[in-house]
Amino acid sequence: QQQVKQSPQSLIVQKGGISIINCAYENTAFDYFPWYQQFPGKGPALLIAIRPDVSEKKEGRFTISFNKSAKQFSLHIMDSQPGDSATYFCAASNGNSNYQLIWGAGTKLIIKP
Amino acid sequence: DAGVTQSPTHLIKTRGQQVTLRCSPKSGHDTVSWYQQALGQGPQFIFQYYEEEERQRGNFPDRFSGHQFPNYSSELNVNALLLGDSALYLCASSLTGRAEQFFGPGTRLTVL
Repeated sequence: QQQVKQSPQSLIVQKGGISIINCAYENTAFDYFPWYQQFPGKGPALLIAIRPDVSEKKEGRFTISFNKSAKQFSLHIMDSQPGDSATYFCAASNGNSNYQLIWGAGTKLIIKP
Repeated sequence: DAGVTQSPTHLIKTRGQQVTLRCSPKSGHDTVSWYQQALGQGPQFIFQYYEEEERQRGNFPDRFSGHQFPNYSSELNVNALLLGDSALYLCASSLTGRAEQFFGPGTRLTVL
């Protein structure tokens, strides 16, 4: 019940296209859903996050869509650029467990010029 | 603001040895969490420190221990190293009660 399932494992998108990564969770106690971006040899960087009382959040080219009833959330990267090539992780946490992050397995995104 | 810093960057140890990794949180943050990230996988939560005490622990053996100092910096200690302990060890800092966690660059530990 603590798992976060992420798909796809890898994704190739043409420059200028839309990249979409999906995550699903089981634990309805989760109340915070962040996305992290990680480049090789670096630590994860917080990209964007959402709470379950909101169905969508947009920051620049990055949008999170959240479906509470389906227990799913997704990251959309608009106008994808080669510099977006990285591994993306979804995660989930809740305040009752001091926001201990439960992570998806990651998606390796490659943007082709 | 220097952000979260970790040392050392890389470390090579042999089986059975012990290791200490260090972390300094972002200015103003009082909570430090440690994660282990095996190659090609998502991070796994090890434990969290607040007010110099372990507040939350993941599914890791007692060989993994930690400490938090009065200035909020933290150490992760691993005893009796196994080959399977080879991973990137990540430190994240946050403000207690807040969900956002910010990560350092990690320490790459290789156990031979």
